[in-house]
Amino acid sequence: QSALSQPPSVSGSPGQSLTISCTGTSSDDVRVSWYQQPPGGVPKLIISEVNDRRSGVPDRFSGSKSGNTASLTISGLQAEDEAHYYCSSFISRNTFMFGGGTKLTVL
Amino acid sequence: QVQLQESGPGLVKPSETLSLTCTVSNYSITTDFYWGWIRQPPGKGLEWIGNFYFGGNTYYNPSLKSRVSISVDASKNQFSLSLRSLTAADTAVYYCARVSWTKAWCDPWGQGILVTVSS
Repeated sequence: QSALSQPPSVSGSPGQSLTISCTGTSSDDVRVSWYQQPPGGVPKLIISEVNDRRSGVPDRFSGSKSGNTASLTISGLQAEDEAHYYCSSFISRNTFMFGGGTKLTVL
Repeated sequence: QVQLQESGPGLVKPSETLSLTCTVSNYSITTDFYWGWIRQPPGKGLEWIGNFYFGGNTYYNPSLKSRVSISVDASKNQFSLSLRSLTAADTAVYYCARVSWTKAWCDPWGQGILVTVSS
């Protein structure tokens, strides 16, 4: 089965913007979600359907998609954003998958 | 708000069957949504296991389909995971979650339960 590929790690300084990519989604499928998992914590849904930010999630977090690549952008990076981030989507009919995850480090 | 809580053994032996239960609070699993299981081996990423819709379809990860089944106890508002023929590779934190299958998201998640497969 196809995979959803994410960079293993990204890093940035406080106040900077950065983007995490998720490649392997279907180009015509908007059912892409993003999860934030803090160290030792539980995954939390932060964005659904490419760019629908969940209630209570800061507007520093935004999602987008171009072709088969979805992206999560975090602007005005803060220390509390340090976490693992996972994308998810369908990779075939009725087969759901998570990306490999990206560790975000705030320098 | 909806809450989920996993329960079950923390240690199981190789070749045996793992049984975990998820108890849902503040929402009936018979009302709507899919309900499912996800796991995360130590230090690794998330792996979807499967999910069901009460009175409807059940879907499993093709890589686990031969060993896994999900069952429901609506009277207790619980659902369970059964994973057979365990190996050390099945050692993981197991999460249950509410799933929107039409929009492909999982929310909320339970706190997770660490299951170690070892003799």
